[in-house]
Amino acid sequence: RKEVEQDPGPFNVPEGATVAFNCTYSNSASQSFFWYRQDCRKEPKLLMSVYSSGNEDGRFTAQLNRASQYISLLIRDSKLSDSATYLCVVFSGGYQKVTFGTGTKLQVIP
Amino acid sequence: GAVVSQHPSWVICKSGTSVKIECRSLDFQATTMFWYRQFPKQSLMLMATSNEGSKATYEQGVEKDKFLINHASLTLSTLTVTSAHPEDSSFYICSASRDSANSPLHFGNGTRLTVT
Repeated sequence: RKEVEQDPGPFNVPEGATVAFNCTYSNSASQSFFWYRQDCRKEPKLLMSVYSSGNEDGRFTAQLNRASQYISLLIRDSKLSDSATYLCVVFSGGYQKVTFGTGTKLQVIP
Repeated sequence: GAVVSQHPSWVICKSGTSVKIECRSLDFQATTMFWYRQFPKQSLMLMATSNEGSKATYEQGVEKDKFLINHASLTLSTLTVTSAHPEDSSFYICSASRDSANSPLHFGNGTRLTVT
């Protein structure tokens, strides 16, 4: 089993739709979780951290479920500009052990 | 603004030459930096973990003599692709985080290497 798993997609959704991605992790001792966005041929950029209590930033909501060992990202009112690959990143064993998911590709269509 | 600077952004070189890529943390010290490679339409692949003042830790299948990593200071790590070949053409990205828990990774803007 991979340490961090994501559905690669692609998720093709119409503008205005709500879409959710999950990311599962295998190491129960994992400490910190993040969602990154990567546009084609560009470096990943931090989208948001994921806190135990869940957190929201505009149209984006991130949640952590430690019992089931997954994190989620919800995007409401999808925009064309949301089209990208969304990577989950998990820190374990302090800040030195970092594991990426393979990313989930989102395509928002007009 | 950028907190991790990577240079150069792109480079074209002839087969057999060596290419050095720099990764700098701009406003924080990073004991650890990471080097990744990404081929078209594929996910990021961790190549190695660069540790300041000690040897880098390479992922399985990554040749340490081919990809030389030097992390001589708390703000600079370099990756040298030695005797580059066309199959080394890829997008190379570095990342670093502040040495504290819950600090996210910051990525350099990547280096697109083309070996002819």
